[in-house]
Amino acid sequence: DSGVTQTPKHLITATGQRVTLRCSPRSGDLSVYWYQQSLDQGLQFLIQYYNGEERAKGNILERFSAQQFPDLHSELNLSSLELGDSALYFCASSVSGGQSYEQYFGPGTRLTVT
Amino acid sequence: GDSVTQMEGPVTLSEEAFLTINCTYTATGYPSLFWYVQYPGEGLQLLLKATKADDKGSNKGFEATYRKETTSFHLEKGSVQVSDSAVYFCAHGGSQGNLIFGKGTKLSVKP
Repeated sequence: DSGVTQTPKHLITATGQRVTLRCSPRSGDLSVYWYQQSLDQGLQFLIQYYNGEERAKGNILERFSAQQFPDLHSELNLSSLELGDSALYFCASSVSGGQSYEQYFGPGTRLTVT
Repeated sequence: GDSVTQMEGPVTLSEEAFLTINCTYTATGYPSLFWYVQYPGEGLQLLLKATKADDKGSNKGFEATYRKETTSFHLEKGSVQVSDSAVYFCAHGGSQGNLIFGKGTKLSVKP
């Protein structure tokens, strides 16, 4: 158990809909990262928050957004969903935001868009 | 740009065989290097890390050495077990603080 929790575990929704994925980091970790894992693209970095502020953006679509709340949990919002958004979405946390720090991953949310 | 290349799988070995999974990286500077493991239906678990040249990361019988000259971080284990069957990901720390992953290598160990 990494100490990172994600809900829900599975999500099935239709094209055009909007969903929210939730992540709680390990106790004491200030940084939260979101990654997307798909068969064709592998593991892609989406976005990072550090202590409530957006720190870095990766390959995140404009239809996707995220935020980190004062209690440090984070939410990833996906809107106008397309079939191609079906993937595993992982949240990871680390104590700080630098590249030297290991990241601890949650169990993931499997999103299926039908 | 920054990238990680690891050997294509799947890799199938018999129990107690020697394991090597090759990994090379392209990056600016000397980033930290990581191996993560993903068991079926689970998230990624940190297996080992190395933060500077010639560092050796080790955990659960797995080892990898940070080779600056060859920009490599090959994963090795002397004697694999059935329970080691999983997907292994090599990664390096990116300039934005994120992790840059290879495509993963699936390992199957047969009894």
